[in-house]
Amino acid sequence: DAGITQSPRHKVTETGTPVTLRCHQTENHRYMYWYRQDPGHGLRLIHYSYGVKDTDKGEVSDGYSVSRSKTEDFLLTLESATSSQTSVYFCAISESGRGSGYTFGSGTRLTVV
Amino acid sequence: DQQVKQNSPSLSVQEGRISILNCDYTNSMFDYFLWYKKYPAEGPTFLISISSIKDKNEDGRFTVFLNKSAKHLSLHIVPSQPGDSAVYFCAASQGGSEKLVFGKGTKLTVNP
Repeated sequence: DAGITQSPRHKVTETGTPVTLRCHQTENHRYMYWYRQDPGHGLRLIHYSYGVKDTDKGEVSDGYSVSRSKTEDFLLTLESATSSQTSVYFCAISESGRGSGYTFGSGTRLTVV
Repeated sequence: DQQVKQNSPSLSVQEGRISILNCDYTNSMFDYFLWYKKYPAEGPTFLISISSIKDKNEDGRFTVFLNKSAKHLSLHIVPSQPGDSAVYFCAASQGGSEKLVFGKGTKLTVNP
């Protein structure tokens, strides 16, 4: 397996609290991504990073922020969790250049109550 | 506006038969297409890809066909096996971008 791990695997949190999800890679890949998966929506890009301190928004970035201070770590923060952010969150990594595809982590199931 | 569409939420086939999963796209700038497979409680895994300069790519039991004029691609699995039961996502990218746009997925069930 590619060296990508997500933590925590499961989390229940209360509405209005901040939450941080972590993605850690040991592959030294340049690109890292955060997606959320919801029934009827498939996988939607939240934020992505193309290098240390270089990040950009995806299609569903409202209410989320990210940081990448090291190549290996990409953090996703829900600034004030809402029930609509209950989802399964996947981190992915890829090498630069076409054709590489993504390698996904195992996901974090987040429930906001 | 969804750029990558998988209009069949589910598909059921018998073991040994062919499975055909379909995907349509609206963005004519897409030039690279991929299929991912996802089992429950796991992340998606890369299955097969195709560049827009080709119309077919084959890898063992899996073949992807691309029809650029129709903006349509399909994944054929022959023969289908029970272990192929999973959700299959179609994805696309454009112009060297590393960003992928995913469809909603099709759940394939292969019955023994």
